[in-house]
Amino acid sequence: AQSVAQPEDQVNVAEGNPLTVKCTYSVSGNPYLFWYVQYPNRGLQFLLKYITGDNLVKGSYGFEAEFNKSQTSFHLKKPSALVSDSALYFCAVGTTSGTYKYIFGTGTRLKVLA
Amino acid sequence: GAGVSQSPSNKVTEKGKDVELRCDPISGHTALYWYRQSLGQGLEFLIYFQGNSAPDKSGLPSDRFSAERTGGSVSTLTIQRTQQEDSAVYLCASSLGLGANNEQFFGPGTRLTVL
Repeated sequence: AQSVAQPEDQVNVAEGNPLTVKCTYSVSGNPYLFWYVQYPNRGLQFLLKYITGDNLVKGSYGFEAEFNKSQTSFHLKKPSALVSDSALYFCAVGTTSGTYKYIFGTGTRLKVLA
Repeated sequence: GAGVSQSPSNKVTEKGKDVELRCDPISGHTALYWYRQSLGQGLEFLIYFQGNSAPDKSGLPSDRFSAERTGGSVSTLTIQRTQQEDSAVYLCASSLGLGANNEQFFGPGTRLTVL
């Protein structure tokens, strides 16, 4: 069965420092991996996705994520955090086998401190 | 262009009443999804549509929940005899097609409060 884990409920980072939001997954078949961000009182917005190819994926707002097949991870990163990056981040996985539904993680709240 | 829209944005109802939540996807998007987001929880998949058909209803929590999509566009999620545990934000998303590589575009959600 598909599953996604975001082990940290909250991540605090100082503005200007690099940030990492962790995600690990379990799927049968090839994984399609996504990151979404939810700002307060707004819907989820797509950040980036991994389908195939380069393990390092670049997305919106300077975010990137690294696909690591051996560790079944897809951590979200940004070299220099901004206060405006403070939001709720969700990792999601879809697969090529069977159903087309996506599994989302429970979310990680990122707080960037000025 | 217009994104995914949902109505109402907020709904307060009494326990036992029926409610209908509406989703208007992005024009041309054939796939439509419903999720539920409870306080402090992640997104819980409810149902998806390809066109007007719903191949996977496995996420619907009970037989009080139903959804339909007409004309391959607007979708309605109906909750009958609402219970307090149904209180949550109900999110709708659409994508160009099925296929796990299609990113989803989300609406702003409907916040449902059952008193």
